[in-house]
Amino acid sequence: DIVMTQSPDSLAVSLGERATINCKSSQSVLHTSNNKKYLAWYQQKPRQPPKLLIYWASTRESGVPDRFSGSGSGTDFALTISSLQAEDVAVYYCQQYYTTPWTFGQGTKVEIK
Amino acid sequence: VQLLESGGGLVQPGGSLRLSCAASGFTFSAYAMSWVRQAPGKGLEWVSVFYSGGGATDYADSVKGRFTISRDNFKNTLYLEMNSLRADDTAIYYCAKEFGLGTTGAFDYWGQGTLVTVSS
Repeated sequence: DIVMTQSPDSLAVSLGERATINCKSSQSVLHTSNNKKYLAWYQQKPRQPPKLLIYWASTRESGVPDRFSGSGSGTDFALTISSLQAEDVAVYYCQQYYTTPWTFGQGTKVEIK
Repeated sequence: VQLLESGGGLVQPGGSLRLSCAASGFTFSAYAMSWVRQAPGKGLEWVSVFYSGGGATDYADSVKGRFTISRDNFKNTLYLEMNSLRADDTAIYYCAKEFGLGTTGAFDYWGQGTLVTVSS
């Protein structure tokens, strides 16, 4: 199974400041046949289901604010919130969909400092 | 798009339960559908997928042989039959839709979830 490891486990950032969450996969999730990285990011607020933010490692889902961006290579990825807003307080998960079992990182809790 | 799960509840260890997910707002038969669970206070765990088209399925090792996923494309409903339930199956079970036609494994729509509690 591909193990997804996020860092840090929690993050406190001042309003308007940048927040960066890292995600490392135990093996590459880059499919060489189409040059796509099978990596997604989700946001989960309390008592809500997860919400897709980013897919293909860097493609923003429709309706997601452009302060959210994804980047990375075959095994190392990052989700950046360029200017943290109060409504961004949540737990964020990365997920690989390169091969089953599709696996998630353990989550990173983002709070306001 | 709407996904509405039902069927959760309290069940004793070793018992069975059948979850349903009623889908609307999209061409259900064209998309792979998955179940993803979340134990209380924990992270997300993919459970099972039912692919569109030929009917292939796949399972996490933790549920293989105990859970069965199925779908009824006429009723636009996804199911999860859960047998031999254990305490560590306690979780909110989400129904989730694949985000792109033919691209499985990431999910753009999720239901609100149904809670399964396995306890004596």
